[in-house]
Amino acid sequence: SQELEQSPQSLIVQEGKNLTINCTSSKTLYGLYWYKQKYGEGLIFLMMLQKGGEEKSHEKITAKLDEKKQQSSLHITASQPSHAGIYLCGAPALSSNTGKLIFGQGTTLQVKP
Amino acid sequence: DTEVTQTPKHLVMGMTNKKSLKCEQHMGHRAMYWYKQKAKKPPELMFVYSYEKLSINESVPSRFSPECPNSSLLNLHLHALQPEDSALYLCASREGYRAAADTQYFGPGTRLTVL
Repeated sequence: SQELEQSPQSLIVQEGKNLTINCTSSKTLYGLYWYKQKYGEGLIFLMMLQKGGEEKSHEKITAKLDEKKQQSSLHITASQPSHAGIYLCGAPALSSNTGKLIFGQGTTLQVKP
Repeated sequence: DTEVTQTPKHLVMGMTNKKSLKCEQHMGHRAMYWYKQKAKKPPELMFVYSYEKLSINESVPSRFSPECPNSSLLNLHLHALQPEDSALYLCASREGYRAAADTQYFGPGTRLTVL
């Protein structure tokens, strides 16, 4: 079965610092989603990457997809306390065409003011 | 508008109670999902409805009973739950016209506690 591994599991950074979160798949990626979640709340959609080499940015968050490495990275520039939360990567399950998503374990980000 | 709404926000129930969770979207999406999320774990898929028909049941116990009355609504009926069923229940939807190519949008979740 397909698995997504995120690293690091948790991260504490000083406000203003840059950081990167990685998501590596055990199998070929046919798309990769990034979500953010505050504890006990729903998932907020950040970005979707579909093609190898694709890179997308929204405000200070940039995500890239490396098809060959079966990996995606999420980079936050000049982090702010509002960036704190749990970041989840998700990928369509290869065994299904109904949009079933497999998620990584999540990366918990704390930003110290 | 990419809003998925869920009610109630919090629910506390006893093991003999019957309750229902409700999910609603008005984006014209034809695929809707129920996920269960335990603390510090990622969401796990429970059910998928596609064009109002159940297309995936991830071996969920029968004490959870989904229902899709129309294309905008998704319910999850709960009966005789166990304390280990306490979790955050998330609803999601997507267009559903293209296999796995469009985004799933999630609701805010219902925090369920079973006593």
